[in-house]
Amino acid sequence: QSVLTQPPSASGTPGQRVTISCSGSSSNIGTNTVNWYQQLPGTAPKFLIYSNNQRPSGVPDRFSGSKSGTSGSLAISGLQSEDEADYYCAAWDDSLNGVVFGGGTKLTVL
Amino acid sequence: QLQLQESGSGLVKPSQTLSLTCAVSGGSISSGGYSWSWIRQPPGKGLEWIGYIYDSGSTYYNPSLKSRVTISVDRSKNQFSLKLSSVTAADTAVYYCAKGFSSSVDAFDIWGQGTMVTVSS
Repeated sequence: QSVLTQPPSASGTPGQRVTISCSGSSSNIGTNTVNWYQQLPGTAPKFLIYSNNQRPSGVPDRFSGSKSGTSGSLAISGLQSEDEADYYCAAWDDSLNGVVFGGGTKLTVL
Repeated sequence: QLQLQESGSGLVKPSQTLSLTCAVSGGSISSGGYSWSWIRQPPGKGLEWIGYIYDSGSTYYNPSLKSRVTISVDRSKNQFSLKLSSVTAADTAVYYCAKGFSSSVDAFDIWGQGTMVTVSS
């Protein structure tokens, strides 16, 4: 049972826009920023979004993040086949005094 | 470009100590004021943060693992290490080392490729 809650799966067709939610609480997302990672099959996670909505250098602007209250969200527009991956949200938790991750969302491009 | 590479024993017996090292190349582990973390992923499951060591040498561990975890740094070898004692099958996972982004301790911008550790007799 992960501290941050993500839907286990999401899907879309090429060119579509999909969103992945990440629900937390006042001790994590409610007071701290949300970060997102993309994990392609058989590879290490890749840094995707930081501080709720900032993209590291090299990340396409098709990827965007947002936060509202105790929830974060990752949006992918212009969906491509290479976006098929697992996506994880993460944040610092003030109660647990550590980094907590969501359980991950498996994105399928139909 | 900074790169991380994990190494260590891939098979550990129950009750023994897991030991892994993360070699940092393309830059100094002592520059930049970064944190250096260990994160693991059991087969088919999600990510779990284990802990970090900060540039100053201070450490911070996942409370659920704190009693069994030690993270240390060897600046002369430009590497940092993980020791996890009294392991059980539940510690079987891919273990990743990662660098903290900027001065952050909760965002990881560079990851090693990961190393699989199996706990079995």
